[in-house]
Amino acid sequence: DTGVSQDPRHKITKRGQNVTFRCDPISEHNRLYWYRQTLGQGPEFLTYFQNEAQLEKSRLLSDRFSAERPKGSFSTLEIQRTEQGDSAMYLCASSPLEGGKEKLFFGSGTQLSVL
Amino acid sequence: AQSVTQLDSHVSVSEGTPVLLRCNYSSSYSPSLFWYVQHPNKGLQLLLKYTSAATLVKGINGFEAEFKKSETSFHLTKPSAHMSDAAEYFCVVSDGSGTYKYIFGTGTRLKVLA
Repeated sequence: DTGVSQDPRHKITKRGQNVTFRCDPISEHNRLYWYRQTLGQGPEFLTYFQNEAQLEKSRLLSDRFSAERPKGSFSTLEIQRTEQGDSAMYLCASSPLEGGKEKLFFGSGTQLSVL
Repeated sequence: AQSVTQLDSHVSVSEGTPVLLRCNYSSSYSPSLFWYVQHPNKGLQLLLKYTSAATLVKGINGFEAEFKKSETSFHLTKPSAHMSDAAEYFCVVSDGSGTYKYIFGTGTRLKVLA
């Protein structure tokens, strides 16, 4: 168990550019989550997958955001045409599927700064 | 839809005194409730979890929480604060509808005074 891994740790980009983040969950975990956290706030739910299926996406999430989990293992989160308001910590978490064992294991996050 | 309210954004206690961090939830089903802790520049760590078994849940580092359905509360307590407890604490609800979406509160920053 190597934990949830996120890459990169930090990303600085200019407004209007596209960025992509990667998350590698704990290998036996079926569920994978993306959250966004800004300073002084709790993590905000963005989307989650069960295996390769994206089961829910926040209604607050702009169409510029897209996430994939093509083979049910790692996931990517892409933000197109970044805006300064996208600056935040993007957190990935995974969870096992077995009944009673559901809980989130978080990665260290990707800190995005949009200039 | 589920939601969670953390009633205090900041709590200050003296070292060795009790800690109380308050959380109220809203859920249409039988929820699962969690407390997570986030130390500065560290990742989120699970403190404890309630899933309809015992209403008093014991977690790591001496923390515990009591599920009170009549009050829709899940307050976090610790009998004696330690300096290392200074961190941000988040109450989390998953509403048990089968969607397995976890909603976080806005957090309570705990400060421990020497």
